[in-house]
Amino acid sequence: DSGVTQTPKHLITATGQRVTLRCSPRSGDLSVYWYQQSLDQGLQFLIQYYNGEERAKGNILERFSAQQFPDLHSELNLSSLELGDSALYFCASSVGRARANEQFFGPGTRLTVL
Amino acid sequence: AQSVSQHNHHVILSEAASLELGCNYSYGGTVNLFWYVQYPGQHLQLLLKYFSGDPLVKGIKGFEAEFIKSKFSFNLRKPSVQWSDTAEYFCAVNVTPPGYALNFGKGTSLLVTP
Repeated sequence: DSGVTQTPKHLITATGQRVTLRCSPRSGDLSVYWYQQSLDQGLQFLIQYYNGEERAKGNILERFSAQQFPDLHSELNLSSLELGDSALYFCASSVGRARANEQFFGPGTRLTVL
Repeated sequence: AQSVSQHNHHVILSEAASLELGCNYSYGGTVNLFWYVQYPGQHLQLLLKYFSGDPLVKGIKGFEAEFIKSKFSFNLRKPSVQWSDTAEYFCAVNVTPPGYALNFGKGTSLLVTP
């Protein structure tokens, strides 16, 4: 158990819908990273938050957004869902934002868009 | 473009065989290198990491990796694999400020047969 929790574990929805994925980082970790794992694209970084503020963006679509709340949990919002958004979404947390900080991964949320 | 390449996509070994998984990266300058493992149905776990110092890094579960700067490589090795090593293995680097998110290779699926 990494100490990072994600809910829900599984999500099945239809095209065009909007969903919210939730992540709680390890106690004391200020950084939260979101990654998408799909068969064709592999593991890709989406976005990072540090202590409530957006820190870095990766290959995140405009239909996707995220935020980190004062209690440091984070939510990833996916809207106007398409079939291609079906993937495993991981959250990771680390103590800080430096290069040397190890990232700990949550169990992931498997999203299926029908 | 910056990239991480894992040459072996699928590897099948018998128990007690030796393992070497290749990883090459295309970044110049200072790099932090990681190997993560994902057991079936589980989250990503850190096997080992290289930040600096001794280029031969020892990790958990008998794994080790060697950083060869001149070859831009960070190959993962284990002298004798077990059935329980069946998993997906990911090489990653984090070099891009400000967030130093992980940039993953496509992964290598390892199947160890009894």
